[in-house]
Amino acid sequence: KNQVEQSPQSLIILEGKNCTLQCNYTVSPFSNLRWYKQDTGRGPVSLTIMTFSENTKSNGRYTATLDADTKQSSLHITASQLSDSASYICVVKGTNAGKSTFGDGTTLTVKP
Amino acid sequence: KAGVTQTPRYLIKTRGQQVTLSCSPISGHRSVSWYQQTPGQGLQFLFEYFSETQRNKGNFPGRFSGRQFSNSRSEMNVSTLELGDSALYLCASSLAMFAGAVTDTQYFGPGTRLTVL
Repeated sequence: KNQVEQSPQSLIILEGKNCTLQCNYTVSPFSNLRWYKQDTGRGPVSLTIMTFSENTKSNGRYTATLDADTKQSSLHITASQLSDSASYICVVKGTNAGKSTFGDGTTLTVKP
Repeated sequence: KAGVTQTPRYLIKTRGQQVTLSCSPISGHRSVSWYQQTPGQGLQFLFEYFSETQRNKGNFPGRFSGRQFSNSRSEMNVSTLELGDSALYLCASSLAMFAGAVTDTQYFGPGTRLTVL
């Protein structure tokens, strides 16, 4: 069964600090991995999309890494801001056209 | 360009009733997907439509159904509502033929918050 596990479940950091969120998956064969940011009460917004051949992708202060061999991805947030407080969701899709598998998300709280 | 819109934003129903939710995708997008989001289960895939055809369906009972119109607008219907159907229902649109395709970016709407009493 395809699974996507995210850690930690929740995280609290101080404004200006960096943090790293983890995503481990069992989806195989693998097509792409996406990170989404979801603010409370709003729909998810795409941050990065990576295929198996990509190791790193950045979007401003967000940098995602992918190790397709170990089936692990991370999302690094640099110089956090209060507006980074949100849920971050990892989504993995296999090569067969079909459903994507969603992680349960990591809830990040940035405090002043 | 206007984003994905969903109506209504909030809805309260009682058990046994049925409900219809609407989604208007971004102009030019032909693929629409629906998701259910609950605190306990996270985001779960309901179904995906492309050019009025259902391409994929998640593991939900037959009480959950959907359709897509020729203008790409989509509706989902839940019949005989149960308390467990209380959730945020999200719609996402994309240009690609299959949601989650390599070059695809899904754009989510704000969701419809359904409460079943």
